[in-house]
Amino acid sequence: AQSVTQPDIHITVSEGASLELRCNYSYGATPYLFWYVQSPGQGLQLLLKYFSGDTLVQGIKGFEAEFKRSQSSFNLRKPSVHWSDAAEYFCAVGAMGAAGNKLTFGGGTRVLVKP
Amino acid sequence: GAVVSQHPSRVICKSGTSVKIECRSLDFQATTMFWYRQFPKQSLMLMATSNEGSKATYEQGVEKDKFLINHASLTLSTLTVTSAHPEDSSFYICSARLGGGDNYGYTFGSGTRLTVV
Repeated sequence: AQSVTQPDIHITVSEGASLELRCNYSYGATPYLFWYVQSPGQGLQLLLKYFSGDTLVQGIKGFEAEFKRSQSSFNLRKPSVHWSDAAEYFCAVGAMGAAGNKLTFGGGTRVLVKP
Repeated sequence: GAVVSQHPSRVICKSGTSVKIECRSLDFQATTMFWYRQFPKQSLMLMATSNEGSKATYEQGVEKDKFLINHASLTLSTLTVTSAHPEDSSFYICSARLGGGDNYGYTFGSGTRLTVV
């Protein structure tokens, strides 16, 4: 069965500083990996996704993520955070075929941005 | 892009009543939709997977008679919380699976905050 771990429950970062959110996954085949952002009381917005190809993926809002198969990781980064980046971030792994195309989410990381 | 419209965004109901939540795919056909439940400050937990024209598949521990899912058309899936109780209060989010190939992914509704009093 697939699983996702986001080791950091909370991260506080100063505005303008860099941000890195960790994500580790467990899946028996090539994973489909996603990062989503959720503002309070809202649904999820896709930041970026990885299926194959270049392991460094560019997303929206200046975010990028790097897939490292050897480390089973898909960490999300942003060089300079803005106050509007304060939100909850979820890493997810998707499985095609027999697993029913379900997404499995990590526990989320709440990002707080200090002025 | 593909949009899923979820309504209502908030609902308050009395214990014992039923509440229906709708999710519509606005510009695409959603063969498969997923229903999630999210408790405060927690992650999304998959409740069930619905496929158009067939019975929903429920995750372990989810009462199918309490959480009725109907996916009668390619653009509409509904979740009905029957005989709601305060412990059913939560944030419910629907999601639709998108295409294949490079378009593979999921789009999410904006969620429904259910409060049972």
